[in-house]
This record gives sequence, C-alpha cells and structure tokens, in this order.
Amino acid sequence: DIQMTQSPSSLSASVGDRVTITCRASQDIRNDLGWYQQKPGSAPKRLIYAASTLQSEAPSRFSGSGTGTEFTLTISSLQPEDFATYYCLQHSNPPWTFGQGTKIELK
Amino acid sequence: QVQLVESGGGVVHPGGSLRLSCAASGFIFSDYALHWVRQAPGKGLEWVAVISYNENIQHYVESVKGRVIISRDNSKNTFYLHMNSLRPEDTAVYYCARGPFLTGIDYWGQGTLVAVSS
Repeated sequence: DIQMTQSPSSLSASVGDRVTITCRASQDIRNDLGWYQQKPGSAPKRLIYAASTLQSEAPSRFSGSGTGTEFTLTISSLQPEDFATYYCLQHSNPPWTFGQGTKIELK
Repeated sequence: QVQLVESGGGVVHPGGSLRLSCAASGFIFSDYALHWVRQAPGKGLEWVAVISYNENIQHYVESVKGRVIISRDNSKNTFYLHMNSLRPEDTAVYYCARGPFLTGIDYWGQGTLVAVSS
C-alpha cells in the first residue's frame, strides 16, 4: 500500500499568513493527488485535483504543486474561513490512502 | 447539482451486520466510480472501498476485506456498503463519494454514523 506522510499535523497561524502543507508518498504517484478541506461536522470538500488544478469553486488563494512523491498545498493569505483540517488523498493505486491531516488553528 | 445522500447508519452490536445506502442524483450515475470513506470519532479520513462504473472492479482497504461488500444498482442510482462481523473499531461516520479512478474523489455525501457497541 502507498503511505502518505502529511506534515505538519497542526499549525497555528494568523489571518493573512502564507501557509504550506506537505504530503510525501512512499512511492511515485505521478500527479494522482487531491487536497481536501474539512470543517467540524461537515463532509470534506476538494480544493485541488491532479496535484495542481484548482477545483472550480475553490478560492484562488489555494494552490497545489508537486509530482512523483512530494506535494504541497499553499494558502497564499489565510482567511478566517480557512481554519479547518486539510487532507491529501492519493488515487494512484488502490487502496487509496489519505494523509493524516493538518489542522490549522488561530494563533 | 450533484447530490449524494447516505442512509442506514445506526447502533449495532459487535458481530452484527448493517447495510449502508447512498442515493445519488444530479449526474449520470452509471458513468462514475463510487466510494465509501469513513472517519472514526476525532480521527482522520480512511478510504474504505470503491466500485467501478460497471461493477467489474471493487477494491477494499485491508482492514475490511472479507467483511464488507460494495455494490451498486445503476437502475436505482444507488450504491451500498454491506458490512458484516462488525467490530468496535468500525465505529465511524461513513461518507459516500463519487470519484473516477483517473481524477479522484470530487463529491461527498454528508455522512451517516455507524456505532458498534455492546
């Protein structure tokens, strides 16, 4: 199975900060990776697919990069509604696997 | 718009069985692979199973193999997760989701809670 190592597990940040989250895959997954945002009590929402393509409804302050085994999600200027937990998901080979999640909290 | 609505969750004793359903609308159901993902209380997301658009392919996470079957009925725009020999560690919110193999999961239902407890 492909392991996804996501870091950090949590971070404290302020409105306006630039934030970067990383996912590392245990083997090459090409660009078969998505990023998701989840708020408490709600289902996840996809922000990025194919590692770097912005989902149509997602704000442009979110961006993704990477290929192969290392991927990043960047929020260029954190907004109040961005305080949430973020997950990566690889869909290169079954079983599909999520990263452990990154919780962004208000500093 | 794409909608996925789960049902069938509840409280079940260890060793018991449950069938979750997911009713879909707003897209051509028979064109898409479909998934179940779960989230234990206070924990992260865990992908559980997928079924291809034509039912020919199913995959499962190791922890549920032999106990769980994913199925679909394209005539009813509904898919299912049949769970047997349930364990306390299966307690979670179960989400149904749409997700082509090539592009990943794009839409999610709101989830249904399964609690396995004596």
